[in-house]
Amino acid sequence: NAGVMQNPRHLVRRRGQEARLRCSPMKGHSHVYWYRQLPEEGLKFMVYLQKENIIDESGMPKERFSAEFPKEGPSILRIQQVVRGDSAAYFCASSPQASVTYEQYFGPGTRLTVT
Amino acid sequence: QQQVKQSPQSLIVQKGGISIINCAYENTAFDYFPWYQQFPGKGPALLIAIRPDVSEKKEGRFTISFNKSAKQFSLHIMDSQPGDSATYFCAAQGAQKLVFGQGTRLTINP
Repeated sequence: NAGVMQNPRHLVRRRGQEARLRCSPMKGHSHVYWYRQLPEEGLKFMVYLQKENIIDESGMPKERFSAEFPKEGPSILRIQQVVRGDSAAYFCASSPQASVTYEQYFGPGTRLTVT
Repeated sequence: QQQVKQSPQSLIVQKGGISIINCAYENTAFDYFPWYQQFPGKGPALLIAIRPDVSEKKEGRFTISFNKSAKQFSLHIMDSQPGDSATYFCAAQGAQKLVFGQGTRLTINP
């Protein structure tokens, strides 16, 4: 029973390039969340998605960032024209469809470095 | 109102001792309070969680104490072991999103 999968685990981009981060939720989970963790800080909520729908994107920067969770395939967090301040660990979490306990299970993260 | 304040920032405990980490929140709409454990280079792993209608929950060596009126909750690790050395995050959940504390770096000395 595989957990939440994220790839790549490490990503290096130059300023101005695009970063694409992928997340495959746990089997049977249809809710996906993205969080960002800056060095020595806690995780900050970015976006909550269900299949083909963005439910809450209140934590997403207004520009350059977008997320999707298509009917087929993984969820994608896309960062256009990356800047040094985007360097962070990005974690994806998933939860079951009809969960009453709200447990979110996290993947291993993608560590983005912008040079 | 969306903040969760966690203390201490770092904690050193002798092997076999009790580790205590505290958190406080403001938003009374939060309805689920998990604790996560994170090792370097890894994702947060759910450790234990509690709902506000319960004052205490125990799982093995880990106990959450919850004080709804004070809007505070804490994690107690009994008989702390070197393998418990990690960063611990409290969180509060409302409207399907988690708000995390700043984290506590716990070191257990052998």
